[in-house]
Amino acid sequence: NAGVMQNPRHLVRRRGQEARLRCSPMKGHSHVYWYRQLPEEGLKFMVYLQKENIIDESGMPKERFSAEFPKEGPSILRIQQVVRGDSAAYFCASSPTTGATEAFFGQGTRLTVV
Amino acid sequence: GESVGLHLPTLSVQEGDNSIINCAYSNSASDYFIWYKQESGKGPQFIIDIRSNMDKRQGQRVTVLLNKTVKHLSLQIAATQPGDSAVYFCAENIGWQGGKLIFGQGTELSVKP
Repeated sequence: NAGVMQNPRHLVRRRGQEARLRCSPMKGHSHVYWYRQLPEEGLKFMVYLQKENIIDESGMPKERFSAEFPKEGPSILRIQQVVRGDSAAYFCASSPTTGATEAFFGQGTRLTVV
Repeated sequence: GESVGLHLPTLSVQEGDNSIINCAYSNSASDYFIWYKQESGKGPQFIIDIRSNMDKRQGQRVTVLLNKTVKHLSLQIAATQPGDSAVYFCAENIGWQGGKLIFGQGTELSVKP
């Protein structure tokens, strides 16, 4: 999973600030997924993107959260006006195709809201 | 609902013993399953996968068993080593929904030397 690069690894934000999390998929992968993990819980799906398209955002909170995967550059998960409840580990995964295939995960960004 | 604040199930084994980690999945339409290993502070690492047209698949020291009748998945680790200590998650995929994975709660495996 070293091929999926996420940055920063750790991010501290004060309540009300914006958080931007970046994900560069593995080379040749055009499918990106974002997951959130609360302490001692499994990963929860947030959003699935292909280049320039949001395919499935059924796991995204309705407000303050947005994601993009532009034609050039990394995928960005953006959280506006962060609150303490947003503190979690955010993982990005990528796959070469859609459907039943292995997804490779990055090391995650640990967001702490103070 | 969310199981916030609950501790993960824990399995403690002696080094060299075999480990069996169980998982109940939720959707009878799921057709692809993956076991992931997650060490502290790291992202999930692929261990082994299985498709719904199979009931058993073997890898190096690991075996996954799938029972679709009762929607049950298990991961068997042979000759467990201290390096196997981690949290193990099963994940299911419904193919027509793309690569979206639904993760189980996870089991913490602790290997005593």
